[in-house]
Amino acid sequence: EAQVTQNPRYLITVTGKKLTVTCSQNMNHEYMSWYRQDPGLGLRQIYYSMNVEVTDKGDVPEGYKVSRKEKRNFPLILESPSPNQTSLYFCASSFVDQPQHFGDGTRLSIL
Amino acid sequence: GEDVEQSLFLSVREGDSSVINCTYTDSSSTYLYWYKQEPGAGLQLLTYIFSNMDMKQDQRLTVLLNKKDKHLSLRIADTQTGDSAIYFCAERMDSSYKLIFGSGTRLLVRP
Repeated sequence: EAQVTQNPRYLITVTGKKLTVTCSQNMNHEYMSWYRQDPGLGLRQIYYSMNVEVTDKGDVPEGYKVSRKEKRNFPLILESPSPNQTSLYFCASSFVDQPQHFGDGTRLSIL
Repeated sequence: GEDVEQSLFLSVREGDSSVINCTYTDSSSTYLYWYKQEPGAGLQLLTYIFSNMDMKQDQRLTVLLNKKDKHLSLRIADTQTGDSAIYFCAERMDSSYKLIFGSGTRLLVRP
């Protein structure tokens, strides 16, 4: 089944404790992206990747890192999480020039 | 700048038609999308329209695009209780394939 898989789905953690949210897709998509969803703001792009080893900042990249060592994986790294990064995070992937497919989301709470 | 705007809330009776409206700012966007988000779930692509089209119909869904006014609408015919969800309008930036989302319209379908 074609899908975008995020892990974990839920995480409660504390300020400053490094965490990684994984994203994996099995559709051989070149394009992958991370968004965060906050009430009243819709979804905002954090980082995106056009292909392996190619990543770029989105609108709200501060406090986040990503890597794209393999085509299928695009992890989101929070080196030193802070409470303002409490949010619902979505990973998405697509072939370039095709609609993006979204994962089911990861709800992060940072205390 | 980039901005997509939607009304926040719409309530309709079961069996009626729903019309969700959206305005966007980037006239160079090639694709415009409608996504549906049910509680606790990710974003499901409903439909999309290419910018050189005026209308697209897909079963109960009709998308209308007025490029001159930068106005997009989604009409759901014979709205059902299962259509209750948040609906996001999004435009795609051609340079980065980034999606710019509206803040979402919460559709409530009353029995």
